[in-house]
Order: sequence, then C-alpha cells, then structure tokens
Amino acid sequence: GEDVEQSLFLSVREGDSSVINCTYTDSSSTYLYWYKQEPGAGLQLLTYIFSNMDMKQDQRLTVLLNKKDKHLSLRIADTQTGDSAIYFCAESITDMGRRALTFGSGTRLQVQP
Amino acid sequence: DTGVSQDPRHKITKRGQNVTFRCDPISEHNRLYWYRQTLGQGPEFLTYFQNEAQLEKSRLLSDRFSAERPKGSFSTLEIQRTEQGDSAMYLCASSPEGWDHEQFFGPGTRLTVL
Repeated sequence: GEDVEQSLFLSVREGDSSVINCTYTDSSSTYLYWYKQEPGAGLQLLTYIFSNMDMKQDQRLTVLLNKKDKHLSLRIADTQTGDSAIYFCAESITDMGRRALTFGSGTRLQVQP
Repeated sequence: DTGVSQDPRHKITKRGQNVTFRCDPISEHNRLYWYRQTLGQGPEFLTYFQNEAQLEKSRLLSDRFSAERPKGSFSTLEIQRTEQGDSAMYLCASSPEGWDHEQFFGPGTRLTVL
C-alpha cells in the first residue's frame, strides 16, 4: 500500500542547514518529489528524483534517496527566513497508467533569524 | 500569469447546497488533476483527466462528487448536497503530455460548509 510519512516540525537558525526527512512504503515508486507550500499559496514543486537515482543537487537543495530503507531527505543549505513554509514529500507510481501523487502530511519548517 | 488558475478562490456555502469549482490548466497541458487538502494534511488525489477522458478516480470521490472536462481544456468539480466534512482546499494541477511526472498546482479553492 501507499503511505508517506514525515515529521511534523523542524526549527533551524538562519544560515544553518535544514534536513527534512520522509519515509515511504511502496517500492514501486517511480518518482519522489518535494513540494513547498507557503501560507495562502499553492504547492510549488521544488525538486524531484527518479527512483533509479541516489542523489540530486539543485543549487541550495540536495535530495538523497535510499531505496533500500525507503527514505527520502531534502537538505536546504544556508537556510533563509524565506524558506519558512510547509514541505511535502510525495511519491508517484506510474505503472498501469496511474498518475496520482501520494503526499505526506507535511513538515513545517520554521527559520529563526 | 500563465499558471494554473482556479475560481473561485473562496466559497462559503450552507450544508445541503451544491457548489461548482472551475480550473483552467496551463495552456496545452493535456493532463489535469484534482486533489483535496484538509487542514494539517497533505493533498489527497481525487481524479485525473487526459484531455476530456477521466482516466482515474479515487475512492474519495463519492457519488456526490462529479468532475468534467468537456473540451479537454478547463475542468469543473461539482459537489452536490454539501456536508461539513467537505470543507477543505480543492487543488487543481496540470501537466504536459510526455512530461507528466511534473504536476503544476493552482492556488486552490477553499470551501467552507456551514
């Protein structure tokens, strides 16, 4: 079955690195995603990783994927106050024409100046 | 602005009333998705269209919910006989053919059922 879990809250100081973790249960996941949601705004796709990759880096963002442990993480380097938001991990399974994303409950990142 | 747009942004209704939401996807995106997000939770998938064909429906989509995309462009989501449990943010997303692993989300319609 599909289930995506995340810790609820993370607080860091400005300039530090943030690491947000996610676990998923379905080994058939094809893509894994990180979305950002700010208050009153829609979901913004930050980055994604294909399931045959271990790592992806995009500017301040680093995604690590451990398929054996079904663990995904997002590292934000030099965290800024503008990074304060809710971060959602999501998985997709594209076999048999399916296109639904399954999201975790989100991790609220608070960045203290 | 060429992103996904949704209308209205907010809707307050009384229990038992019908409501309809509209989503306009990014131009030339042939795939369109509806999700529902309740407070403190991540979005939950409702349904998905490829052009005008509704190809996937979640078990969350009860018989009071109906979605259409008659011309393969904009889509509507109707909820009949609304219940307080329908109060949520309804999100629409779209993706282009051949690159459908990226879903681009609209700002959502917040529904409050009194």
